[in-house]
Amino acid sequence: AQKITQTQPGMFVQEKEAVTLDCTYDTSDQSYGLFWYKQPSSGEMIFLIYQGSYDEQNATEGRYSLNFQKARKSANLVISASQLGDSAMYFCAMSPGYSSASKIIFGSGTRLSIRP
Amino acid sequence: GAVVSQHPSRVICKSGTSVKIECRSLDFQATTMFWYRQFPKQSLMLMATSNEGSKATYEQGVEKDKFLINHASLTLSTLTVTSAHPEDSSFYICSARVPGLDQFFGPGTRLTVL
Repeated sequence: AQKITQTQPGMFVQEKEAVTLDCTYDTSDQSYGLFWYKQPSSGEMIFLIYQGSYDEQNATEGRYSLNFQKARKSANLVISASQLGDSAMYFCAMSPGYSSASKIIFGSGTRLSIRP
Repeated sequence: GAVVSQHPSRVICKSGTSVKIECRSLDFQATTMFWYRQFPKQSLMLMATSNEGSKATYEQGVEKDKFLINHASLTLSTLTVTSAHPEDSSFYICSARVPGLDQFFGPGTRLTVL
């Protein structure tokens, strides 16, 4: 069975600082995908970044980067130069495969608050 | 990018009534859609996998007779909460995944059962 663990229920960060959101996972699958989503107060789920288990390089998308350490089964999200608009819930998620039928399971989330 | 819509965005109903929530993929065909439930300040919990033309697959602990899922076409899946009770009040989110791409989420439906 797959499991996603986010150990930081809440974080406060000063604007313009970098922040790392922790995520560890557990799976026996060889092929899997890791995701990070942002959920603002409106409730919509916003896709941020994706990392495949066979990808050798860490994924990056603008200010977001995923620190993928396969041996440690961790997939931390790094947000550089944080902005006030980054305040939201952040969910780490995992899918056991790449097909359209592969379900995604979510961690418990981290509430990030950016201080001006 | 791919878009998934949900209707209604918000619904308030009386206890004992049934509520239908629609999930549509607007610019792609989705043979598989997923239904999640999110209680306040909690994570998304997968309820079921909706498969076009066949029965849905429910996660452990989810009552299939209470949460009826129909995936009649490649662009539409519906979730019906039957005989809704206040404990069913939650945020329901659907999603669809395009092969090779990420999973696209609908905007969610906030259900309040009085």
